[in-house]
Amino acid sequence: AQSVTQLGSHVSVSEGALVLLRCNYSSSVPPYLFWYVQYPNQGLQLLLKYTTGATLVKGINGFEAEFKKSETSFHLTKPSAHMSDAAEYFCAVSDLTDTGFQKLVFGTGTRLLVSP
Amino acid sequence: DGGITQSPKYLFRKEGQNVTLSCEQNLNHDAMYWYRQDPGQGLRLIYYSQIVNDFQKGDIAEGYSVSREKKESFPLTVTSAQKNPTAFYLCASSPGQGLSEQYFGPGTRLTVT
Repeated sequence: AQSVTQLGSHVSVSEGALVLLRCNYSSSVPPYLFWYVQYPNQGLQLLLKYTTGATLVKGINGFEAEFKKSETSFHLTKPSAHMSDAAEYFCAVSDLTDTGFQKLVFGTGTRLLVSP
Repeated sequence: DGGITQSPKYLFRKEGQNVTLSCEQNLNHDAMYWYRQDPGQGLRLIYYSQIVNDFQKGDIAEGYSVSREKKESFPLTVTSAQKNPTAFYLCASSPGQGLSEQYFGPGTRLTVT
């Protein structure tokens, strides 16, 4: 079964600084990978996803992520943080159930704090 | 507007009572999911349904039950057997088989005292 590790439960940056949120997955078989964002007391919104093809994926709100197979990583970056980026971010990876159904396995999340 | 609705937003119950959380989608998606979210633990899969009249246990199904009588609806019942039911519950849907992303509802925060 797949697992996802998000390093750092909290990441603090200043407004305008680079945002880097780390995600590593367990499988050697390239999975599908996702980043979601969650604002307080709300559901999750898809930021971006990697399926096949180009390893650098661009998403909404200026975020991007790079799939690195050799490192089993899918880190999320944004060149310049904005106050509105403060939220919790979840990395997810596809996994196959016993019945052959694809499900998502989520990391434990990273809370991004942005200071003025 | 297409989307997923969950009601109510906040729910309070006494210990020992069963409670049903609503999830409705108008995206015409085949697959639906229920997750539980606790601080620091991410999202954990409770149940999922690939198609109407079919559902499967996820990773933490004990103390929960579901039904899928209509494509649009996937209600979750938190039974009195669930030892620690206080949590944030999220419903999601996806078009079905294949590696498509999941779309999430706004969630229901359940507090049991």
